[in-house]
Amino acid sequence: AQSVAQPEDQVNVAEGNPLTVKCTYSVSGNPYLFWYVQYPNRGLQFLLKYITGDNLVKGSYGFEAEFNKSQTSFHLKKPSALVSDSALYFCAVRDPRSGGSYIPTFGRGTSLIVHP
Amino acid sequence: NAGVTQTPKFQVLKTGQSMTLQCAQDMNHNSMYWYRQDPGMGLRLIYYSASEGTTDKGEVPNGYNVSRLNKREFSLRLESAAPSQTSVYFCASSPTQGAGEQYFGPGTRLTVT
Repeated sequence: AQSVAQPEDQVNVAEGNPLTVKCTYSVSGNPYLFWYVQYPNRGLQFLLKYITGDNLVKGSYGFEAEFNKSQTSFHLKKPSALVSDSALYFCAVRDPRSGGSYIPTFGRGTSLIVHP
Repeated sequence: NAGVTQTPKFQVLKTGQSMTLQCAQDMNHNSMYWYRQDPGMGLRLIYYSASEGTTDKGEVPNGYNVSRLNKREFSLRLESAAPSQTSVYFCASSPTQGAGEQYFGPGTRLTVT
C-alpha cells in the first residue's frame, strides 16, 4: 500500500523568504514522488518528480524538492517566495511496482499563502 | 499542443438528469483518469483507463460510468445526477513510461440541485 501525508493545511510566508511545504510518504519499495500545483479555478499542474539519483530535484518556477529516504520525506522548497506562488500544492507518491495501473496517491494538499 | 481538454467548463443539473463529461488529450498517453475534487477531501479517483480498451474502478465509482472511446478520449457519464455529485471534475492523462506523472485538464464545475 502507498500513502502520503501533508501535515500542514496552510503555510504562510513573507515574500522574499524561503518556503518549505512538507510531505511524508509510505511505500513498500523505492518510491516515485511528485509535486503538483493548483492555482485558483485551474487544474493541477505537474511541478517536479523524483525517480532515482540525486536527492535534490529541480522543477518549474524555481521550485525544488529534497528526497530523504531515512525520513521518508519529500519536502518542496523555494529559496525566495513570490506572491504569485500562492496556490494549493499537492504531493503524490506511486509505487513503481504497481505495474500498468500507474495510480498515484495524492496528499490532501497544502495551501501556500505568500504575503507581500 | 492543447494538452488535456475538458468540456463543458460549467454545468448545472437537476437531480435525476444525466450528462456526459468529455475529455481528450493530444499527448499520445496510454493512461487516462477521472477525479473529483471536493473541499477538505482532496482528489478522489473515480475511474481510470490504463490503456485503450480497458477501464477500472477507482475509489468512488458509484453513480458514474466511463467510456474510453479511443486513445485520445475518455468520457465520464452521470446517469442520474444526485446533489452528492456536486463537485469539480478533473480528467488527467499520463504516459506509461518513466514515472508516469499526470497532466490535468482545466476541470468541470458541476452543480446538482
